[in-house]
Amino acid sequence: DIQMTQSPSSLSASVGDRVTITCRASQRITSHLNWYQQKPGKAPELLISPTSTLQSGVPSRLSGSGSGTDFTLTISSLQPEDSATYYCQQSYSTPYTFGQGTKLEIK
Amino acid sequence: EVQLVESGGGLVQPGGSLRLSCAASGFTFSNYWMHWVRQAPGKGLVWVSRIKGDASSTTYADSVKGRFTISRDNAKNTLYLQMNSLRAEDTAVYYCARDPDQYSGGIWYSQFDYWGQGNLVTVSS
Repeated sequence: DIQMTQSPSSLSASVGDRVTITCRASQRITSHLNWYQQKPGKAPELLISPTSTLQSGVPSRLSGSGSGTDFTLTISSLQPEDSATYYCQQSYSTPYTFGQGTKLEIK
Repeated sequence: EVQLVESGGGLVQPGGSLRLSCAASGFTFSNYWMHWVRQAPGKGLVWVSRIKGDASSTTYADSVKGRFTISRDNAKNTLYLQMNSLRAEDTAVYYCARDPDQYSGGIWYSQFDYWGQGNLVTVSS
């Protein structure tokens, strides 16, 4: 199975800050990398797939990049509504594994 | 509007069985792969199983293989997860999710673009 490792596991940042979350795959997954946002008590929502393509309705302050084994999710100017847990997921091969999540808190 | 509405969760004893359903609307159900993903309380997301639009292919996580069965009824626009020999570690919120399996630049990409609301399954005596 492909292991997905996110860092950091949690972070706290202020409104307006630039935030970067990293996701590393245990083997090459080309560009088969998705990002999801989950708020407490809610289902996850797809943000970016694959790698750098923003889904409809996702604000442009979010961006994704990477290829191979290393990927990043960047929020250019943090907003209060960005408080959530973020997960990366590889869709290169089954089982489609997720990272352990990054909990983002707004100071 | 795409909707996925889950039902069938609840409390079950270890070794028991439960069937989850996911009723789909707002899209041509038979054109899409569908998946089950679970989340234990306070934990992360774990992929469980998938089924092709015409039900010709299914795949399972090792942790549920031989115990869980994914199926679909395209006439009823409904996805199912039959869970047998349930264990305490199967306790989780179970989500169904749609996968458009998009084709871009000569490559197929899987993604979960719509999710159900989640259904709690508790395995406990």
